[in-house]
Amino acid sequence: DSGVTQTPKHLITATGQRVTLRCSPRSGDLSVYWYQQSLDQGLQFLIQYYNGEERAKGNILERFSAQQFPDLHSELNLSSLELGDSALYFCASSADRGYTDTQYFGPGTRLTVL
Amino acid sequence: GQSLEQPSEVTAVEGAIVQINCTYQTSGFYGLSWYQQHDGGAPTFLSYNALDGLEETGRFSSFLSRSDSYGYLLLQELQMKDSASYFCAVRDIGYQLIWGAGTKLIIKP
Repeated sequence: DSGVTQTPKHLITATGQRVTLRCSPRSGDLSVYWYQQSLDQGLQFLIQYYNGEERAKGNILERFSAQQFPDLHSELNLSSLELGDSALYFCASSADRGYTDTQYFGPGTRLTVL
Repeated sequence: GQSLEQPSEVTAVEGAIVQINCTYQTSGFYGLSWYQQHDGGAPTFLSYNALDGLEETGRFSSFLSRSDSYGYLLLQELQMKDSASYFCAVRDIGYQLIWGAGTKLIIKP
């Protein structure tokens, strides 16, 4: 158990809909990262937040947005969903003590868009 | 552009040794990490190299040559439970990790 929690575990929805994925980082970790992993693919970095502020942005679509709240939990919002958005979405957290940091991954949310 | 290259698949026999290579081309470099991911599971951290040389952690070792922009993960005494995907990742300037596409390790009895 990494200490990172994600809800829900599974999500099935229809095209055009909007969903929110939630992540709680490990206790004490200030950074939260979001990743997308499509079937048999690598990890695509979406976005990172550090202590409530956006720190780095990867290949995140404009239909997607995220935020980190004062209690450090984070939400990833996906809107106008398309079939191609079906994937595993991982959240990871780190203490972010410079560049030697380890990222701890949550169990992921499996999103299926029908 | 920024890229990490690693083999898509490697096959080995239980009890043997296997090496998974990773070459990178990034605008900055602050270390090479390795993560393991079992099917349906979350990635878990294995090792990190910031300086040239070999880091050993039990049956797993990781090597880095910054001059060659190259690293590898060495797995010894392979066990069936080592069957998984292995990802290399480079921390670039800024704060994001650049990830390789992953190497699927298949272990045969």
